[in-house]
Amino acid sequence: GDSVTQKEGLVTLTEGLPVMLNCTYQTIYSNAFLFWYVHYLNESPRLLLKSSTDNKRTEHQGFHATLHKSSSSFHLQKSSAQLSDSALYYCALSRATGGNNKLTFGQGTVLSVIP
Amino acid sequence: GPKVLQIPSHQIIDMGQMVTLNCDPVSNHLYFYWYKQILGQQMEFLVNFYNGKVMEKSKLFKDQFSVERPDGSYFTLKIQPTALEDSAVYFCASSFQGNTLYFGEGSRLIVV
Repeated sequence: GDSVTQKEGLVTLTEGLPVMLNCTYQTIYSNAFLFWYVHYLNESPRLLLKSSTDNKRTEHQGFHATLHKSSSSFHLQKSSAQLSDSALYYCALSRATGGNNKLTFGQGTVLSVIP
Repeated sequence: GPKVLQIPSHQIIDMGQMVTLNCDPVSNHLYFYWYKQILGQQMEFLVNFYNGKVMEKSKLFKDQFSVERPDGSYFTLKIQPTALEDSAVYFCASSFQGNTLYFGEGSRLIVV
């Protein structure tokens, strides 16, 4: 079945340094969608960005990611971390079969940004 | 942005009792989902629901679980009877079409 791997459980960064959260996936579906969701404490997980286009950079709120089907990766990046970026980040995959968009989640990476 | 509301936010229940978790999805959404997250683990798909029917369910969706959305009201997850391993945070999500899911804040269930 489908799977998503986020190797880092916790990433601690000093404010201002670049962010990179790793995500790799496995699926037999060539038109899969990849997502990043951000989950702040006591809030609901919300979509940060998504993509299904190979080698195209997608950006939102200062974050960006590029889907690379050749390496099955969708790493999340940001040029400069802010304290407010501290949250739990989930990478997820969908087979994009019309309305039935079951998401398969990775384990999540806690990003902790310190002054 | 669109909001999914979940009631209750948390509940403690005795093993063997019934519990109903309620979800008020985004108003024009057509697809509804439940996910389960055990403490320290990833969110895992339980079930999705469309047009009054379960479309797909995972192995985690045991026989003791059921979902319904009577007359366009709450989308509910019922567990009867509950077991200790049902302790988790249950997230409801909804989507219109396409593939963006909107999640609620979760219902924390503790079975004792």
